[in-house]
This record gives sequence, structure tokens and C-alpha cells, in this order.
Amino acid sequence: QKEVEQNSGPLSVPEGAIASLNCTYSDRVSQSFFWYRQYSGKSPELIMSIYSNGDKEDGRFTAQLNKASQYVSLLIRDSQPSDSATYLCAVNSGGSNYKLTFGKGTLLTVNP
Amino acid sequence: DAGVIQSPRHEVTEMGQEVTLRCKPISGHNSLFWYRQTMMRGLELLIYFNNNVPIDDSGMPEDRFSAKMPNASFSTLKIQPSEPRDSAVYFCASSLGRRGDEQFFGPGTRLTVL
Repeated sequence: QKEVEQNSGPLSVPEGAIASLNCTYSDRVSQSFFWYRQYSGKSPELIMSIYSNGDKEDGRFTAQLNKASQYVSLLIRDSQPSDSATYLCAVNSGGSNYKLTFGKGTLLTVNP
Repeated sequence: DAGVIQSPRHEVTEMGQEVTLRCKPISGHNSLFWYRQTMMRGLELLIYFNNNVPIDDSGMPEDRFSAKMPNASFSTLKIQPSEPRDSAVYFCASSLGRRGDEQFFGPGTRLTVL
């Protein structure tokens, strides 16, 4: 059973701080990693994808991947109240080109 | 460009009734995914299609669930008979169908079975 683990939270940070969201996965052959943001009552929205070890930056978001440790993280700089949402980590299942396994998500609250 | 379209957005039905959920993927996308989301189990993949062909239906909970994709622009997920434990949000997602491709989700159908 391929697993993707996330801290359920809630993670609470003050406005302007850095929010750090973490995810571990069990399948060593996974090659594609994604972060989705889901507002309450809405559908998951893709915000970051990462395929190689290291950091990938997009605006206030930075995804970090360490395949040796089977670990992927998302940093949100200068957190805003509008970042308050559940963040889902998704990992492609080894051997499958298309199938994603999702973590249960971390609820982030940014306090004004 | 239009994103993934799902209908209906909300469905309330009684136990034992047939439920049909519909999805139109993003034009040009070759892969389509049906997910179910509940508080207890999170987001679970039910079935996915590539080029209209079902590739993996191992997530379909039981024979009461069936899915079809008659053409590249339309898919259905049917539950018959429905049960209260089927109550969840059902999402459809699509992707270009290449290795590692990003999936884009529709707005979902919130199903309540009484």
C-alpha cells in the first residue's frame, strides 16, 4: 500500500511568517510530486509541481524535494490570511504514469 | 479556457436510487480521473481512463459503482443502488496523459444519500 503522510495540523502562523508544510511518501520509485491547495467547500487547486531533487520557487511558494529521504515540503513566505486552506501533497504511484496518491492534507490557518 | 466541468453540483437522493454523475474534461486532455473525498478517508482515486479506456478501477468500492467514458469529452460515474455511506464529494480531474502530468480538478459533486 503506497502511502503519503502529512501532519493534519492545524498549523497556525501569524500573517507575514513562513509556513512550512511537510510530506513523506513510502514508494521509492515515485517521480512526480505535487502540492494542491483546497479551500473549504472547493476543489483542489494545483499550486506546485516538482520532479527533481532540490528547490523550486514560484512567487511566495517554494517546493523542496529530497528523494533519498522520501520527503517533500512546501514553504509559503510572507503568509497571508488568503493562504488559509488545506494543503494536499500528491505523489505519483510507482510504476504508473498517471496515478496519484494524496495525503490527507494539512490545514493551515494564517492569523491577521 | 473552460476547466473541468461536472454536473450536477449537488445531488440529494434516497437510499436505493440510481445516481449518475457527469464530467467533461479539459479539451485535449487524454486522461480522466474520478475521485471521492470524505473527511475520514481523504481523497481517494476510484478509477482512471486513458484515451477513453479504463486503466485502473481498483479503487471502485464495489459493484454498485460503474464508470464509462464513451468519448474524449464525456464521462459518467454511476452508483446503483446508492447507500448513505456513498455520501461524499466526487471530483473529476483530467490531465494531458503524459508521465508525471499535472491533474486539474473540476468543482465536484456533493452527493447526499438519505
